[in-house]
Amino acid sequence: DQQVKQNSPSLSVQEGRISILNCDYTNSMFDYFLWYKKYPAEGPTFLISISSIKDKNEDGRFTVFLNKSAKHLSLHIVPSQPGDSAVYFCAAKRETSGSRLTFGEGTQLTVNP
Amino acid sequence: EPEVTQTPSHQVTQMGQEVILRCVPISNHLYFYWYRQILGQKVEFLVSFYNNEISEKSEIFDDQFSVERPDGSNFTLKIRSTKLEDSAMYFCASYLRGLKGSEAFFGQGTRLTVV
Repeated sequence: DQQVKQNSPSLSVQEGRISILNCDYTNSMFDYFLWYKKYPAEGPTFLISISSIKDKNEDGRFTVFLNKSAKHLSLHIVPSQPGDSAVYFCAAKRETSGSRLTFGEGTQLTVNP
Repeated sequence: EPEVTQTPSHQVTQMGQEVILRCVPISNHLYFYWYRQILGQKVEFLVSFYNNEISEKSEIFDDQFSVERPDGSNFTLKIRSTKLEDSAMYFCASYLRGLKGSEAFFGQGTRLTVV
């Protein structure tokens, strides 16, 4: 199942710099996109989301950009902090109530002090 | 902040045995899910549950699996006869469409090890 793909298994950045995590999708029926953060031995924690009617959503240090024509979204974290080190999952769904999430493989972000 | 809770955190079982994984979703949520993550693989959807019945299930969710909401608060996943390949982290999630959007909240997971 390659409907949601995160091509970078890992990313390492310096504290204070920008982290950019990327995600591509193939299913045109997806119209809602989410980013989850996951620490070891914990469940995914919701971070930020975006509907397909928007191209940008911002929440504090986190911004998600959506390029529908390219079927691509990205998560920007600025400034990055060591506590941001975690696995980040991109997920997509159809925005009908209760529909399933389809996840990407995840990207391990390491923010170095 | 309300949260989804799962028990046990770790379950070890012998192949062929039945296991029940338990979840207490967030109290006013209406949709409930089970996902799993086999080590090194993606988080995969298993099943969704709404209005006391399965609303959607994946091809993974075969006759060995069942879900139940026996008492209006707990949400359980039963695996009738476990196989080695059922070893994974199992995540429960619940969802209520809100003003802010459409996110599901996940529990901390149950690590199932089949030996």
